[in-house]
Amino acid sequence: GIQVEQSPPDLILQEGANSTLRCNFSDSVNNLQWFHQNPWGQLINLFYIPSGTKQNGRLSATTVATERYSLLYISSSQTTDSGVYFCAVVYNDMRFGAGTRLTVKP
Amino acid sequence: EAGVTQSPTHLIKTRGQQATLRCSPISGHTSVYWYQQALGLGLQFLLWYDEGEERNRGNFPPRFSGRQFPNYSSELNVNALELEDSALYLCASSLDGWPYNEQFFGPGTRLTVL
Repeated sequence: GIQVEQSPPDLILQEGANSTLRCNFSDSVNNLQWFHQNPWGQLINLFYIPSGTKQNGRLSATTVATERYSLLYISSSQTTDSGVYFCAVVYNDMRFGAGTRLTVKP
Repeated sequence: EAGVTQSPTHLIKTRGQQATLRCSPISGHTSVYWYQQALGLGLQFLLWYDEGEERNRGNFPPRFSGRQFPNYSSELNVNALELEDSALYLCASSLDGWPYNEQFFGPGTRLTVL
C-alpha cells in the first residue's frame, strides 16, 4: 500500500521562528490534506491541497504531486501552533503520516 | 454551520463488552468515515459509509462494524472488546465519497477498555 512519511518527527522552535514540515508519499494520490491535532484530539483542517500552493494567514502549503511531496510552512510561529501536524493522502483509503510534533516555546 | 458531532465524549467498558459510538455528519454531507487512533499505532482508517452502504473497510476484524442511517448519521459498534481497542475514535464526513472530497473531523470518542 501507499506509504506516507513525515519529517521531522519532532520540532522545537522559539516563538517567532519559521518552520517547514514535509510529507512524502510513495504513489500518485487523488487527495491530500494537512491537519493540526489539538490537545483534546480533534483534527483541525488546515489545507485540502492535492496540488499547487495555498495560503491561509501565517500558514501556507505546497504540493508537488509529480514529485510526490507536500510542504507545510508556518511563519512567525506562536505558542498556540504547538501540537501534532498530520498529512493524509487518499488512494484507496485515507492514509495518515505519523505526524510532526511541534513545540513552540515562548 | 454545525460541524461533525460525536457521542459520547468518553466511554469506559470492560473486556468482552460491546461499545456503540455515534456520529452526526455536517448537514448536507452523505459520506461518513471512522478512524482509530491508538497509542503507538497512529491514525488508521476503519470504515466508510455512503448513502447507507458500507463502501470500504480498513484492516480491522469483523467485530468492528457499523451502519449509516437514512439521515446520514452513523454508529460504530465494537463487539467483544479487547484491551487493545482502547483508543480515540474519530469520525469524519465529506460532501460526497472518495477520493476527491475534503474530509472534516469530529472531536472524537475516547474509548477505554479495562
